[in-house]
This record gives sequence, C-alpha cells and structure tokens, in this order.
Amino acid sequence: AQKVTQAQTEISVVEKEDVTLDCVYETRDTTYYLFWYKQPPSGELVFLIRRNSFDEQNEISGRYSWNFQKSTSSFNFTITASQVVDSAVYFCAPSILTGGGNKLTFGTGTQLKVEL
Amino acid sequence: DTGVSQDPRHKITKRGQNVTFRCDPISEHNRLYWYRQTLGQGPEFLTYFQNEAQLEKSRLLSDRFSAERPKGSFSTLEIQRTEQGDSAMYLCASSLGDRDVGELFFGEGSRLTVL
Repeated sequence: AQKVTQAQTEISVVEKEDVTLDCVYETRDTTYYLFWYKQPPSGELVFLIRRNSFDEQNEISGRYSWNFQKSTSSFNFTITASQVVDSAVYFCAPSILTGGGNKLTFGTGTQLKVEL
Repeated sequence: DTGVSQDPRHKITKRGQNVTFRCDPISEHNRLYWYRQTLGQGPEFLTYFQNEAQLEKSRLLSDRFSAERPKGSFSTLEIQRTEQGDSAMYLCASSLGDRDVGELFFGEGSRLTVL
C-alpha cells in the first residue's frame, strides 16, 4: 500500500512569489511513478508533472520545477513567480502499475491561494 | 470537446434510491478509472478497466456498487440503495498505454448528494 503526506494544508502567497509544495510518500514498491495534479475551483483535476522512480534528475518546465529525492521519499513541487490563476488545490500522487493500469494514491492536497 | 465527459454533473437523490453515472473517456484511451472524492480529501481509487475487462476493484467498492464498460468505450457506475455516506464527487479518468504509465485525464466529475 502507498501513503502520501502533504503536510501543508493551506498556503497563501502574494503574486510573483515563489512557492514550494511539499510531498512525502511511502511505498514498498521498487518501481513506481510520482505525479502532481492541480484541482482548480472548477473541480477538474489537471495533470502537471510525472516522474518515475528511476529518474532523480530534477527538471524545470516553464514556471514549474520539482525536486525528487528517493532517499527521503520526497517529491516537492515549486511554482516560480506565482500567478492568481495558480490558485487551486494541488495533489501529490504516487502510483503503481496494477494489472497494467496506473493506480494513483492521492494525498489530502495543499490549498494554494495566490493573492494580488 | 474531446476530453473525458461525465453525466450527470449533479445528482440529488433520496436515501435508498439507485443512481447511475456515465463516463465517456477520450476515444482512443483503453484504460478507464473511477475515483471518489469527498470534501477536503483527495480522490480515492474505486475501480479500473482495461478495455472491457474490470481488472481491479477497491475495498471501498461495496456490493452496492457496480461498474461496467461493456464495449470498452463508455462506462457506467451504479450505486444501489444509496446511503448518505455515498455523497461525494465521482470522478472518471482515462489513459492510454500498454506498458508505459501515462497520465490520467480526468473528467469534471459527477456530484452525488444523498438526502
């Protein structure tokens, strides 16, 4: 079984600030994937990033970047120069392959509020 | 709109009634998932289909819940004898792939309120 801890329940920042969302996960699987999803007020979950457990290289994609450290089971997500439209609930989700499918385990989410 | 669509978006029902939700995945996606999300929580996995085969069911899926994907395209999730604890957002997602772990594309959800 997998478990996800997103210790930050709510974060408020002022527009243009950088913000990092923390995620710590537990898994017994040696092969797994890690995802971040965003859920704006409209409710639809939007895919942001994916990382597999073999690749600890951290990357930047536009205003998004992530820091994956397998040794500490952390997969933190950073938004640079935040914007009001970034306001949403952000979910970290490790996954395992199950019967060929991709089974995600979501955390409780971090509510991000970006204010002017 | 070629995304995942769900119907109805909102359903209010009385305890004990049956309800059915429909999900139309992205057309070329062979995998389809159902999740449930309650207020303040992250989505929880319910069940998964690869084409028409239901390959996994969560323990959350009691005997009152049944899901089908008869032709490997759309899927239905039926809840019989609804209880107030069934009130939640029911999310459908689809993905494409055989061995690769592709991202899930979610629909906007079907919100169920049981009175």
